[in-house]
Amino acid sequence: AQKVTQAQTEISVVEKEDVTLDCVYETRDTTYYLFWYKQPPSGELVFLIRRNSFDEQNEISGRYSWNFQKSTSSFNFTITASQVVDSAVYFCALSEPPYYGGSQGNLIFGKGTKLSVKP
Amino acid sequence: EAQVTQNPRYLITVTGKKLTVTCSQNMNHEYMSWYRQDPGLGLRQIYYSMNVEVTDKGDVPEGYKVSRKEKRNFPLILESPSPNQTSLYFCASSLTSGEASYEQYFGPGTRLTVT
Repeated sequence: AQKVTQAQTEISVVEKEDVTLDCVYETRDTTYYLFWYKQPPSGELVFLIRRNSFDEQNEISGRYSWNFQKSTSSFNFTITASQVVDSAVYFCALSEPPYYGGSQGNLIFGKGTKLSVKP
Repeated sequence: EAQVTQNPRYLITVTGKKLTVTCSQNMNHEYMSWYRQDPGLGLRQIYYSMNVEVTDKGDVPEGYKVSRKEKRNFPLILESPSPNQTSLYFCASSLTSGEASYEQYFGPGTRLTVT
């Protein structure tokens, strides 16, 4: 079965600290896709990154970086030098190809990690 | 501006009164879907559509209907809303899924309260 676990329910840091949000996934397939979304207090869901299972390269985008490790089924997200504007709920999500009977394109979300960055 | 729009953004209604939440995207995406977000349960897919006239159930379809008559629009219909459908609803769209899964772009959300 597909499952995404974000064990950290809430994290609180002080501005300029680095913070890592953990994501562990379970899947039956060798082909799958992983995503991170941000939900700021205003409520919208903002796409951050997509990664397919064949691309284990780490990604860096400004202060954001992602570490994908298939060996541990993890796709962790690090914010360097956090800022107050980073305060949000962050969701990790998984999507599998349709041939296992799941709905095509369905995103399986983790429960989210609420990040609070204090000035 | 590329976007997914939903209307209304907020709605308070009574049990049994039919309602429709509209969703429209201007990115020419073939794939569209609806999710609901509930505390403790997270985000769950209600229905999805691979293309015009093609729709299918997600994980929690009971009590909902959808239609896809045009590529850009994917309304969510609650024919007889009940209090357990009080939730935050998101519409999303993406490029065709096929054998791959692409990022879904979400609308701003519709907060529905059924009394």
